[in-house]
Amino acid sequence: DVVLTQSPLSLPVTLGQPASISCRSSQSLVFSDGNIYLNWIQQRPGQSPRRLIYRVSDRDSGVPDRFSGSGSGTDFTLKISRVEAEDVGVYYCFQGTHWPRTFGQGTKVEIK
Amino acid sequence: EVQLVESGGGLVQPGGSLRLSCVVSGFTFSRYYMHWIRQAPGKGLEYVSVISNDGNIASYANSVMGRFTISRDDSKNTLYLHMDSLRTEDMGVYYCARDGQLDYWGQGTLVTVSS
Repeated sequence: DVVLTQSPLSLPVTLGQPASISCRSSQSLVFSDGNIYLNWIQQRPGQSPRRLIYRVSDRDSGVPDRFSGSGSGTDFTLKISRVEAEDVGVYYCFQGTHWPRTFGQGTKVEIK
Repeated sequence: EVQLVESGGGLVQPGGSLRLSCVVSGFTFSRYYMHWIRQAPGKGLEYVSVISNDGNIASYANSVMGRFTISRDDSKNTLYLHMDSLRTEDMGVYYCARDGQLDYWGQGTLVTVSS
């Protein structure tokens, strides 16, 4: 199975400051169609998960543009340009290239 | 509006069975792969099972293989997860999600396994 390793696992951030989460894959996530199916999921406290980013860098509808994704091959990053209070929660990377699908361990973002 | 609504969770004794349901609306159910993902209390997300859009392909995590069965009824816009031989480690919130890239999720249903 593909192992996704996130870092850090805990990320205290000051409001208005940037935040960055890394996700490294144990193998390439390039699919046979040339796409990279690396997604980011947000789970706010007490809520169900919600997809934020798909195919590395495409934002889902309604996702603020302060969220951005980047990366290639096996290294990927989720960035929040200016953290707001509503961004508190756990962020997971998720790969949709290989079966079975797998998740990273999650990164908890909290306000300092 | 796309909606996924899970139900069927509850308290069950170790070794018991449950059937979870996920009723969907707002999209053509028969066109999509569908998934079950679970989350143990205070833990991360764990992939459980997937079924293809035509129902011919199903896959399971090693931890549930041989005990869980995923199925779908396109006439009822409903995804199922039949869980047998439940263990305490199966406890948690079970979510259904749409598509290979998990673009929409339900609100989850809680499964508690305890004597």
